[in-house]
Formats: sequence, structure tokens, C-alpha cells
Amino acid sequence: DGGITQSPKYLFRKEGQNVTLSCEQNLNHDAMYWYRQDPGQGLRLIYYSQIVNDFQKGDIAEGYSVSREKKESFPLTVTSAQKNPTAFYLCASTDGQGARPLHFGNGTRLTVT
Amino acid sequence: ILNVEQSPQSLHVQEGDSTNFTCSFPSSNFYALHWYRWETAKSPEALFVMTLNGDEKKKGRISATLNTKEGYSYLYIKGSQPEDSATYLCASPYSGAGSYQLTFGKGTKLSVIP
Repeated sequence: DGGITQSPKYLFRKEGQNVTLSCEQNLNHDAMYWYRQDPGQGLRLIYYSQIVNDFQKGDIAEGYSVSREKKESFPLTVTSAQKNPTAFYLCASTDGQGARPLHFGNGTRLTVT
Repeated sequence: ILNVEQSPQSLHVQEGDSTNFTCSFPSSNFYALHWYRWETAKSPEALFVMTLNGDEKKKGRISATLNTKEGYSYLYIKGSQPEDSATYLCASPYSGAGSYQLTFGKGTKLSVIP
């Protein structure tokens, strides 16, 4: 079955450590996204990539970095510069621009203490 | 950043009741309006993507309407069932060069009481 796989489901890190969240898709989608969810907030866009080797900052990119070396993969690194990294992170993909639906992974809950 | 608002924030209905909730968005430079259902412990699932003013879409007991001139969309659920309990999200992309960027509302959390 085609889909998006995020791993791990839960991640715990000490403050000051960088951590990388994995996102893999086998839907052959060009565009991939990272969103963050905090209690009482909507999904907020961190980074997105329209095509391999290209990515753009979203609304809250500070303290995060991404890469897009392969079409299937869009890993997100949460760096020590991110002031409030504890959150639920969702990866998504789509086969077109804004009129095409997003397909989401199951998310990674990151806790930094 | 686009301002997408949803109301109400949460809603409790009895099984069998019909219900509706609202998504409002800027009417200028409209491109598309998305609705998603997000059940607990699952990933958000697309319900509808609408692009034309006056558009109506239906999926089983769920339907949606779109008014791009006044900047709102309604989601209707007819005869609510416990399995409809979920958070319903709407989202709209920036138009033009930024149309890959979807802005989400905070969602409406629906609880259907058996």
C-alpha cells in the first residue's frame, strides 16, 4: 500500500541535542511538507519541498533544517537553536500545488527535556 | 500568513443529530479550500478540496459548500454517528507563487455522544 511513513512515533531528547525526524513516502509525490502542531494551535508549516534538491521555508522555519536528496525522503532536523522543540510533527506529501489534497503520515511526538 | 478561522472550537452532539461548522478565509486571491478529518491516533485524511464559488461536495453523510466571494465554507454532517467524532480541519493555500503553502485553521473538535 502506498503511504507516508514517519519514524519514530515517539522521540525523547535532552536539551541541546539535535534530532532528526524521518519521513518517507512511496506515493511518487513531488511535494513534501513538515508541519508542527501545538495544543490549541492549527498545523503550522515548517518547511516544504516542491521537488528534489529544492526546499522552502514555511512560517516557522527558525531552528529547523531539512534536506531533499531523494524524491521519497524529506528528513527534518530539529536543532538546538529551536527554542520550543517539544511538539507533534506531521509530514505530508501531495502530487500537485494547492488544489491537490495532502496525504499525511502518522506523526512523531518529540519531547525535549 | 493567511488567516484561516474555524468555529466553533468544539462541539458535542447526540447521535443522530445533524450538525455544521464554519471555516472562514480571506476572499481575495482565493485559490482553493481543503477540509480534512483527523481522528485520534490516526493521520489527517482529506475530505474535500474545493476551488469554485458555489461548489458543493458530498461524501456519504458529509457535505461541504464554498462561498469564495464572502470567504467562508460550511461542513455539514447529517445524522451524526460516534465514528464521526474527530477534529475537522480546513486549510487554504496562498495564491500565486506560494500556492504550495497551506495555512490551516485550528480545527473544530466534534464529539458525538451515543
